[in-house]
Amino acid sequence: DSGVTQTPKHLITATGQRVTLRCSPRSGDLSVYWYQQSLDQGLQFLIQYYNGEERAKGNILERFSAQQFPDLHSELNLSSLELGDSALYFCASSVVDRGNTEAFFGQGTRLTVV
Amino acid sequence: DQQVKQNSPSLSVQEGRISILNCDYTNSMFDYFLWYKKYPAEGPTFLISISSIKDKNEDGRFTVFLNKSAKHLSLHIVPSQPGDSAVYFCAAIPLNRDDKIIFGKGTRLHILP
Repeated sequence: DSGVTQTPKHLITATGQRVTLRCSPRSGDLSVYWYQQSLDQGLQFLIQYYNGEERAKGNILERFSAQQFPDLHSELNLSSLELGDSALYFCASSVVDRGNTEAFFGQGTRLTVV
Repeated sequence: DQQVKQNSPSLSVQEGRISILNCDYTNSMFDYFLWYKKYPAEGPTFLISISSIKDKNEDGRFTVFLNKSAKHLSLHIVPSQPGDSAVYFCAAIPLNRDDKIIFGKGTRLHILP
């Protein structure tokens, strides 16, 4: 158990809909990262928050947005969903803002868009 | 534009032998490298890391080697065990520390009995 909690574990929704994925980081971790893993793809970095502020942005679509709340949990919002958005979405957290540290991953949310 | 490349999608190794997983990177600004292991239906778990000031880091059966001039790193697992069957991701963090941990596409390791 990494200490990072993601809900829900599975999500099935229709095209055009909007969903929210939730992540609770490990206790004490201030950084939260979101990654997308599609079939045959590695972990694509989407976005990172540190202590409530956006810190780094990757290949995140404009239809996607995220935020980190004062209690440090984070939500990833996916809207106008398309079939190609079906993927595993992972959240990770780490303790420091910058430095030689690894991130700890949650078990992921499997999103299926039908 | 794949900055971290794992060119072998899969690898099969006999139990007890050495497993060598390779990773190449293109960005010379990367200065910290990590390996993650992932089982099906689980999130990736951190395995071992290496800073660019080193060329080797060892942790039990796992050793990571870094060749900066070739922009290449490798993970050695000796001896390989059945529980090592998983997908292994190579990852890198850039010097400017903007916290993007960039991952490769992964290599699926099969340990054969």
